[in-house]
Amino acid sequence: GAGVSQSPSNKVTEKGKDVELRCDPISGHTALYWYRQSLGQGLEFLIYFQGNSAPDKSGLPSDRFSAERTGGSVSTLTIQRTQQEDSAVYLCASSLNLDRGEKLFFGSGTQLSVL
Amino acid sequence: LAKTTQPISMDSYEGQEVNITCSHNNIATNDYITWYQQFPSQGPRFIIQGYKTKVTNEVASLFIPADRKSSTLSLPRVSLSDTAVYYCLVGPTGGGNKLTFGTGTQLKVEL
Repeated sequence: GAGVSQSPSNKVTEKGKDVELRCDPISGHTALYWYRQSLGQGLEFLIYFQGNSAPDKSGLPSDRFSAERTGGSVSTLTIQRTQQEDSAVYLCASSLNLDRGEKLFFGSGTQLSVL
Repeated sequence: LAKTTQPISMDSYEGQEVNITCSHNNIATNDYITWYQQFPSQGPRFIIQGYKTKVTNEVASLFIPADRKSSTLSLPRVSLSDTAVYYCLVGPTGGGNKLTFGTGTQLKVEL
């Protein structure tokens, strides 16, 4: 596709349920990031994938959060046993990771609401 | 991590030039400076990137002094559609968790 695609665009769930958020990066982009943005706040780093290297999971807020990237392309962010404080916009970005600076291309995000 | 500091908000009028300054005192040698624009309900969008001196593209200019401890995003002749949040990001290529976004600068452009 032409850009980073995220689905669903909106997700409403009940506290305690599991959710899966999907990200389709730009074809050929080797790096993939997940960020979380709470209302009126900046972006909070969650996880980073680069090629076949082990992901950088240092931003995941708890063990209820996990992510995988299959075949170096599509990524899924899973939140288990959702809590109300998980409500936020989850943004995915991909990049080429060129030597001369990195430019992130973002999707429109998934608005997650936990009731 | 190169922490950045920006003004929380700025107001301007259509047709004015807007300059948003970002401080990054502990920038590392291999860090680049990148600015993003974010509209409500959208992901951030790349505006401009630089390493040193001045960079100009079709939408903005980026001024970086010799010590690289700050940078200034310059938007010429802003319009209402430039109302958005602007983020300054400092980090290396393949930055991973080093690519941290601050709270950004909310720019409001009025008639």
